[in-house]
Amino acid sequence: GENVEQHPSTLSVQEGDSAVIKCTYSDSASNYFPWYKQELGKRPQLIIDIRSNVGEKKDQRIAVTLNKTAKHFSLHITETQPEDSAVYFCAASGGGGSGGSYIPTFGRGTSLIVHP
Amino acid sequence: DAGVIQSPRHEVTEMGQEVTLRCKPISGHDYLFWYRQTMMRGLELLIYFNNNVPIDDSGMPEDRFSAKMPNASFSTLKIQPSEPRDSAVYFCASSPTGGIYGYTFGSGTRLTVV
Repeated sequence: GENVEQHPSTLSVQEGDSAVIKCTYSDSASNYFPWYKQELGKRPQLIIDIRSNVGEKKDQRIAVTLNKTAKHFSLHITETQPEDSAVYFCAASGGGGSGGSYIPTFGRGTSLIVHP
Repeated sequence: DAGVIQSPRHEVTEMGQEVTLRCKPISGHDYLFWYRQTMMRGLELLIYFNNNVPIDDSGMPEDRFSAKMPNASFSTLKIQPSEPRDSAVYFCASSPTGGIYGYTFGSGTRLTVV
């Protein structure tokens, strides 16, 4: 089955700095890579996703990059703000059937702390 | 839409008691998932349903756990008897097409077994 590794487990930055969270996956059939943000005491919420037919996707201050050859993808947050402090989860899933499981496998999460 | 609705938000129970967690998925979502979240193990998929049918329950830790989905708008996760190591946050999530377009999670149930 799919195995997703996420690093670092904790990331501490100053407000205004950039933050990068990296994930690797094992199943080459995986083709959908969502990222979830979980604020303290709240539910995980989908913030951005990328599919295997693109290498990068941006949404305001967040971006995700994908390298299918190396089987890794990353979340980039620019101009970090205190409200970005949360746990971020990456996930990977395939297209189902012979294309791999469509049920995502989650990384262990990265706790991002943005200091004012 | 009100999103995925879970109840109760918090549950404190004594070891050995039966616990029932409830979930109402988003209308029209054919997939429903139960996850358990702990510091030690992260997000663990316990079971998921497609069109009310359990598809994969390999994540259910043991026979003390059971889940049902009697109709498209309601699911339960039951633990009987409960043990202190079951203490965790239990999330329900729903999706219109498996996981390929992302999940919507409920607010979770924080279970404490004393």
